[in-house]
Amino acid sequence: AQSVTQLGSHVSVSEGALVLLRCNYSSSVPPYLFWYVQYPNQGLQLLLKYTSAATLVKGINGFEAEFKKSETSFHLTKPSAHMSDAAEYFCAVSDIAGGGNKLTFGTGTQLKVEL
Amino acid sequence: NAGVTQTPKFQVLKTGQSMTLQCAQDMNHEYMSWYRQDPGMGLRLIHYSVGAGITDQGEVPNGYNVSRSTTEDFPLRLLSAAPSQTSVYFCASSPTLALGTSGRAADEQFFGPGTRLTVL
Repeated sequence: AQSVTQLGSHVSVSEGALVLLRCNYSSSVPPYLFWYVQYPNQGLQLLLKYTSAATLVKGINGFEAEFKKSETSFHLTKPSAHMSDAAEYFCAVSDIAGGGNKLTFGTGTQLKVEL
Repeated sequence: NAGVTQTPKFQVLKTGQSMTLQCAQDMNHEYMSWYRQDPGMGLRLIHYSVGAGITDQGEVPNGYNVSRSTTEDFPLRLLSAAPSQTSVYFCASSPTLALGTSGRAADEQFFGPGTRLTVL
C-alpha cells in the first residue's frame, strides 16, 4: 500500500524566511505525488504535482517541490514566506489502479508565518 | 462553472439519525470521491466512484453508503449517525486518467468547500 509521512505537524517561520515542509512517501510503483493547501474553513487547493515528467516541480504562489527517488522524498519549499502562506499543507500520493485516482494523504503540516 | 458544490455547509445530528450529504460537479468528471477530515489524521477516503453506476469502498467506509446514478451527483448517506462520525466531509472530482481534455493533468482532484457535521 502507498503512504506518505509528513514530518512536523506545526512549522513556524518568519516572514521572508525559507519555507521547508517535509514529505516522504512509500510506494511499490512510480508514484504520483501532490501537495495541497487548505486555508481556514475552506476546501483543498492543488499547489503542485509530480507525475514523472520532471523532478523539480513548480507550483502556484512561488512554491516548488523536488522529487528525490533515492530519498523517497517530495519536500515542499518556498524561498521567501509571506503572511498569506499561513495555512495547512497536505502531501498526498495517488493510486491510479483501475482507472481511479484514490489519494492517500499525510497528516498535514500547519504553517505559521510570523512578522 | 460552479466546480464542486456541497450541501449543507453545517449540520448537527443526534445519534441514530440519518442524513444525506449532497455533492455535485458540473465539469463532466467521471471520478468522484468522499473524504473525511479529522484533526491530526489528514483526509481519509470513504467511498469513490469511477463513473455512473460504479462505486467502491475506500479506507473508512463503515457507516456510510453511496450511489452514483448520474455523472454529476454523488451523495453520501449516513445510515445511523454516531458521534465517531463527527468530522468535516469533502467531496472531490477529477477526469478519468484516460481523458484530461480540460488541458489540466487528468489526475488533479478538485475539492468542494466541505460539510461540517456534528453528531451529538
